[in-house]
Amino acid sequence: NAGVTQTPKFQVLKTGQSMTLQCAQDMNHNSMYWYRQDPGMGLRLIYYSASEGTTDKGEVPNGYNVSRLNKREFSLRLESAAPSQTSVYFCASGSDRVSYEQYFGPGTRLTVT
Amino acid sequence: DAKTTQPPSMDCAEGRAANLPCNHSTISGNEYVYWYRQIHSQGPQYIIHGLKNNETNEMASLIITEDRKSSTLILPHATLRDTAVYYCIVRVGTGGFKTIFGAGTRLFVKA
Repeated sequence: NAGVTQTPKFQVLKTGQSMTLQCAQDMNHNSMYWYRQDPGMGLRLIYYSASEGTTDKGEVPNGYNVSRLNKREFSLRLESAAPSQTSVYFCASGSDRVSYEQYFGPGTRLTVT
Repeated sequence: DAKTTQPPSMDCAEGRAANLPCNHSTISGNEYVYWYRQIHSQGPQYIIHGLKNNETNEMASLIITEDRKSSTLILPHATLRDTAVYYCIVRVGTGGFKTIFGAGTRLFVKA
């Protein structure tokens, strides 16, 4: 089991460029999440998907779009990158047991210049 | 979801028990207490969770007060590899998708 995988691991963008961060999980979980973590800060929820075909906004959704492509994959798109989006992005999937614990990927380190 | 309060940092000697406190005075009856940790720049790692009974697993023990307004995560024999940021989170167990992470407690385990 690979768990939660994310690509790319690192990315540098210029202001205004677009890109998609990819996330996949092999644990057959229904729920998936995207978080961002700025230096020295906790995680903030961007978007989540409770199940295939549904997505909902989290705390900081502005400037992002998501797609739940299928049960395994949940992508995050930046349409027009801004320096304020420089951050580490973590994807997670959630256990379907009552406990709903989450399992995180290794993160994507994004710098927008 | 209830808000949590944790000390920003703590020290612990290697081999000793690390006791990390968390206040959640506004917790509701259907909200669980979860603990995660984040080592260096890795993705957070689930540790343990509980509703009202004390819980123990291979990583840690969770002690929840009888009124459920606070809890303590116990690492029984801390090692240098336990140096990390520890997050205490409370949220509903059913459909609890909006997991909110606060600033956490930075635990330093010293030799």
